[in-house]
Amino acid sequence: DTGVSQDPRHKITKRGQNVTFRCDPISEHNRLYWYRQTLGQGPEFLTYFQNEAQLEKSRLLSDRFSAERPKGSFSTLEIQRTEQGDSAMYLCASSLPSGGRGVANYYEQYFGPGTRLTVT
Amino acid sequence: RKEVEQDPGPFNVPEGATVAFNCTYSNSASQSFFWYRQDCRKEPKLLMSVYSSGNEDGRFTAQLNRASQYISLLIRDSKLSDSATYLCVVNGQAGTALIFGKGTTLSVSS
Repeated sequence: DTGVSQDPRHKITKRGQNVTFRCDPISEHNRLYWYRQTLGQGPEFLTYFQNEAQLEKSRLLSDRFSAERPKGSFSTLEIQRTEQGDSAMYLCASSLPSGGRGVANYYEQYFGPGTRLTVT
Repeated sequence: RKEVEQDPGPFNVPEGATVAFNCTYSNSASQSFFWYRQDCRKEPKLLMSVYSSGNEDGRFTAQLNRASQYISLLIRDSKLSDSATYLCVVNGQAGTALIFGKGTTLSVSS
């Protein structure tokens, strides 16, 4: 499978614990994105990387959240001192370094299967 | 005002019906536009990009009206397998954050 992969697929943790998720993008994609989705809502942007550089962070990304992409390949998202409100699906996406389908300005993002986090 | 607004539905249609989804966006500087499809408890999957000239992919037709900041998706000859949530998506600056609507739920019945 050459798509975006995420690990683990499911995580149940107790409030106050730290959790870390991993994302492996499509191999030739240099942009990697993290989103969070709660029930009944569309995904909400958290942060994105171009290669190893973190270029943008959403205000949703509180101090308890940190993301890294140390070698410009896989990325990790860590949540410290989890809260019940952190329960959500965490989605990773990646895109090509230029517009998809030969069209400029269209960075089509492809999503992984997500990590479903439940904080009890 | 939300950045991307969609009618949440649900839209319940019989097989073979034609159904249209509408979406409006608030940022007139938005550069790229997409429709994604999301099945229950699965990840969003890119259905099609939406170009200014409009574009068609089989039974699916997408239109963009930049002046009205309005995007549409038309599905002809609906199939049972089209049942899903359709997400309208806007990209403020190409290659950066996607901004999603809440999604419109479609249920196609036999």
